[in-house]
Amino acid sequence: DTAVSQTPKYLVTQMGNDKSIKCEQNLGHDTMYWYKQDSKKFLKIMFSYNNKELIINETVPNRFSPKSPDKAHLNLHINSLELGDSAVYFCASSLGSGGQETQYFGPGTRLLVL
Amino acid sequence: AQSVTQLGSHVSVSEGALVLLRCNYSSSVPPYLFWYVQYPNQGLQLLLKYTSAATLVKGINGFEAEFKKSETSFHLTKPSAHMSDAAEYFCAVSPSYSSASKIIFGSGTRLSIRP
Repeated sequence: DTAVSQTPKYLVTQMGNDKSIKCEQNLGHDTMYWYKQDSKKFLKIMFSYNNKELIINETVPNRFSPKSPDKAHLNLHINSLELGDSAVYFCASSLGSGGQETQYFGPGTRLLVL
Repeated sequence: AQSVTQLGSHVSVSEGALVLLRCNYSSSVPPYLFWYVQYPNQGLQLLLKYTSAATLVKGINGFEAEFKKSETSFHLTKPSAHMSDAAEYFCAVSPSYSSASKIIFGSGTRLSIRP
């Protein structure tokens, strides 16, 4: 009965590879997010989708491409991985996209690029 | 534009002591304010939030925070710390009056509890 789930939990890969992270929520929420948390715990939003439509697209290299096949899923594909991409990536969801909404976070995907 | 400053990257208190984690915000419009907690190797979960109703907000696990507009602060307190409170705490702000708001997180404060 996990609310927001992510796969994989850990990802170790070589520079230059392409990888995907999947996220699913079973809360019936309309809005989903991707965050990056660096080694100093700083958390920054990357993307947000509302009803499968991209509504927030921060200054992120275009090697990162989100895809939302339906309201319950938001995947993140990363091309040509670089050392600086090593971080923890969190998916989150909220009922709506307004500023007062509580966000529900997944457990994170720990990406290590060698 | 919005920003959040958390004073103190690490706070250590004794079990049973008062917990005070400081947060100051900057916002060009009335803000919504949040405290989230992150336990080791887990995602964030909401402790409490201020959405322009009561200025004293009570959250889970005995935590509360007071919105003080004159001081642009939203400090988090708990009267008596438990060992289970050891975690990373994030203050966050998002603007009201927007249908596609993004939440801005502070840099986090690691709370340690001494036996």
